[in-house]
Amino acid sequence: GQQLNQSPQSMFIQEGEDVSMNCTSSSIFNTWLWYKQDPGEGPVLLIALYKAGELTSNGRLTAQFGITRKDSFLNISASIPSDVGIYFCAGRNSNSGYALNFGKGTSLLVTP
Amino acid sequence: DGGITQSPKYLFRKEGQNVTLSCEQNLNHDAMYWYRQDPGQGLRLIYYSQIVNDFQKGDIAEGYSVSREKKESFPLTVTSAQKNPTAFYLCASSETERIYGYTFGSGTRLTVV
Repeated sequence: GQQLNQSPQSMFIQEGEDVSMNCTSSSIFNTWLWYKQDPGEGPVLLIALYKAGELTSNGRLTAQFGITRKDSFLNISASIPSDVGIYFCAGRNSNSGYALNFGKGTSLLVTP
Repeated sequence: DGGITQSPKYLFRKEGQNVTLSCEQNLNHDAMYWYRQDPGQGLRLIYYSQIVNDFQKGDIAEGYSVSREKKESFPLTVTSAQKNPTAFYLCASSETERIYGYTFGSGTRLTVV
């Protein structure tokens, strides 16, 4: 499958700080998704993006589908301790059918 | 409530043994998937199925087998041919006509002892 480049690999921040992470691919995607995984659990969908340029919010989370269709970013504002986890980007292009390609994840640690 | 259930949560296997991981969903989703997760590796696709009695290999299918005899069920067998089976295994499902992303199970952690 298509490899997605997700950065940063990890982040260690203080409560109240804003967070930004991004994902890039070498090919065009028609869907971008952002998931959060708590330890020992399956990922949970946070935001789904379906159109280039689309900007979508879910509470303190905001994600955008890049204009070039080769990237996406996720911002978390005013982080809180329960934001701790691994955040994955995922994308789908015409070559992957229904299967999603995942980034390697961004591990977020938040200190009170 | 609709959802996707993986069992068991933890599984131990002796080297040389086959083991089957269960995945059941009651979301009426057509497509189902198996991913393997290793630390720092993200999620890698093992197998997926878009319809009953049909499935496709993913990126790391060697040493694994699946079946899709019912819409609700997509069991994964980790065979003795899989050289490094210790990992966290995730099952997921999705609609096919309108794809909003996957719904994941809570995972099975397999350890070879």
